[in-house]
This record gives sequence, structure tokens and C-alpha cells, in this order.
Amino acid sequence: LAKTTQPISMDSYEGQEVNITCSHNNIATNDYITWYQQFPSQGPRFIIQGYKTKVTNEVASLFIPADRKSSTLSLPRVSLSDTAVYYCLSIMFSGGYNKLIFGAGTRLAVHP
Amino acid sequence: DVKVTQSSRYLVKRTGEKVFLECVQDMDHENMFWYRQDPGLGLRLIYFSYDVKMKEKGDIPEGYSVSREKKERFSLILESASTNQTSMYLCASTGEANFNEQFFGPGTRLTVL
Repeated sequence: LAKTTQPISMDSYEGQEVNITCSHNNIATNDYITWYQQFPSQGPRFIIQGYKTKVTNEVASLFIPADRKSSTLSLPRVSLSDTAVYYCLSIMFSGGYNKLIFGAGTRLAVHP
Repeated sequence: DVKVTQSSRYLVKRTGEKVFLECVQDMDHENMFWYRQDPGLGLRLIYFSYDVKMKEKGDIPEGYSVSREKKERFSLILESASTNQTSMYLCASTGEANFNEQFFGPGTRLTVL
């Protein structure tokens, strides 16, 4: 059964680096892994996507190992405004066709 | 900036009512999606559309239907609302074939009494 798994919650302090890992056990061969951020009363917002190795943008880095069965979102030097729920999205091969599968979300709380 | 708007932020309906949720995007995207979001379950895909009048079932289409008569508008219909359809409904769109970078609306919180 295709599944995307991520921790339910994490706590951090301002200025620390936060790493959130998602496992996707049956990811489709040619598809990307994407991460979203969601604040209360808003829809999710795209942060970063990658296919393999490492991708970095102005907000985050994404590390994907060679087997692509997991990915790690890295937020450098978090601030209070990074308190949000983070979702990973992968397209996984399941039941004979490709499916969009979001993880259940990781609730990150950043403390002063 | 891409803008995805949803017709209502909050809706309260009664069991058995027909419910329409509307979504409009302003970036000429081919692909549009409807999700429901429930605590502990993340986002689950109900239906998506890759072109006008075209639709595909997602993971949980039962009890829902959709309509896409114009490219910018994608409607979710609950033919006979039930209490287990109380949820947050999110619409999204993307112009990308890989579906990864989606733009979401603010969501509609539907309560069915």
C-alpha cells in the first residue's frame, strides 16, 4: 500500500535548523517530491520540490537520497513565523496507476 | 501572483441538502483539484480535472461529483450532504504536467448538521 509518512509534530527554538523527514515507500520512478507549508486559515503554499540529491532555494533545502524512498526538508535558522504545518507530496505508483499522496502533515512549533 | 478563490470560507448545511462549492483560478491553468483536509489524515484528493469537461476520480470520490464547464472554474458538488462530509475543502490549480507545484485557495470549512 502506497503511503507517505512524516512525524506528527516537532518543536524547535528560534535560530535553530529544523529537519523534517518524509518517507514515501513506493514513489513513482519519474516524479518529484514536493513540500508545502500551511498557516492557520490558509491553503497550503508551495515551498520546494526536488527529484534527487539536494535542492536549495531562498526558503529551504531538500535532501533526497539515491533510493528516493525518503526526503528531508531543512529549514535553516527558523523564526517564530515558521510555525506552521508542513506537508510532503509525492506521486506514488499504487494499484496500477499513479496517485497524488500527501503526508498527514508535521506541525512545527518554533519557540522564542 | 496566482490567485485561487473559493466561493465561501464557511458553510453550514443540513443532511440531505445539495451543496455546491465553487473554485476560480486566474492563471489559465489546465489542471484543477479538489481535496478534503481532516485532522491526522492530511489532504486527500477527491477529484481533479485536466481540461474543460474532463475529470478524473481521486482517492475518495464517493458522495461527490464535479463540474468544469469553463477553464477557470471547477465546482465540487455534494448531491446529498451527510455528516461525515463535514470537513475543510481545498481547491488547487497548476499549469504543470507533473502536478507538483499546486496553488491552493483558502479553503471552505463545511459543516453538515
